[in-house]
Amino acid sequence: KNEVEQSPQNLTAQEGEFITINCSYSVGISALHWLQQHPGGGIVSLFMLSSGKKKHGRLIATINIQEKHSSLHITASHPRDSAVYICAVIRTGTASKLTFGTGTRLQVTL
Amino acid sequence: SAVISQKPSRDICQRGTSLTIQCQVDSQVTMMFWYRQQPGQSLTLIATANQGSEATYESGFVIDKFPISRPNLTFSTLTVSNMSPEDSSIYLCSVILDTPYNEQFFGPGTRLTVL
Repeated sequence: KNEVEQSPQNLTAQEGEFITINCSYSVGISALHWLQQHPGGGIVSLFMLSSGKKKHGRLIATINIQEKHSSLHITASHPRDSAVYICAVIRTGTASKLTFGTGTRLQVTL
Repeated sequence: SAVISQKPSRDICQRGTSLTIQCQVDSQVTMMFWYRQQPGQSLTLIATANQGSEATYESGFVIDKFPISRPNLTFSTLTVSNMSPEDSSIYLCSVILDTPYNEQFFGPGTRLTVL
């Protein structure tokens, strides 16, 4: 079993829909990242969380440390949001090295 | 923020040859990592590139196969040696800025295909 699990693996949505991607982890962590990877391969860090909730534009990320769970929400989705979204955790005591989930491939259609 | 460039952006190589990938950062950073992403898979950490000392490799990765250099705080290279088709992957470097926020940035990646 992977230490970091994401669901769903694939997601298709229509433009304007509210999207939720979930991440569960089974290890102790000091922080959690949400990353976005576009088809060309480049990766952008969207959020780094250690508690609570963060918002940036149409993106919202939450984390519940007790339940070992995080969610990434996209409001008013747009085709340009189509990408792979990756949850990655920094395991406690590992000096910022990331352990990655398998990613959620999102396709937003018109 | 940090701007990271990688060279080459992509390459097609023959089995048995070696390829050196360069990673350049526009500011000095202490922590730099090399990751591999095999087709359809998520990222896996290869090693931590340490300035002035040998890289720290993760389980399953060895220096003879993936030698790494880190001559200064803005530059590193990863060599993929004696390549086989199984080495076909995207290779990414990433850095963590020396700030209290531990922001992590990724390079654009090098897409390697081994024939």
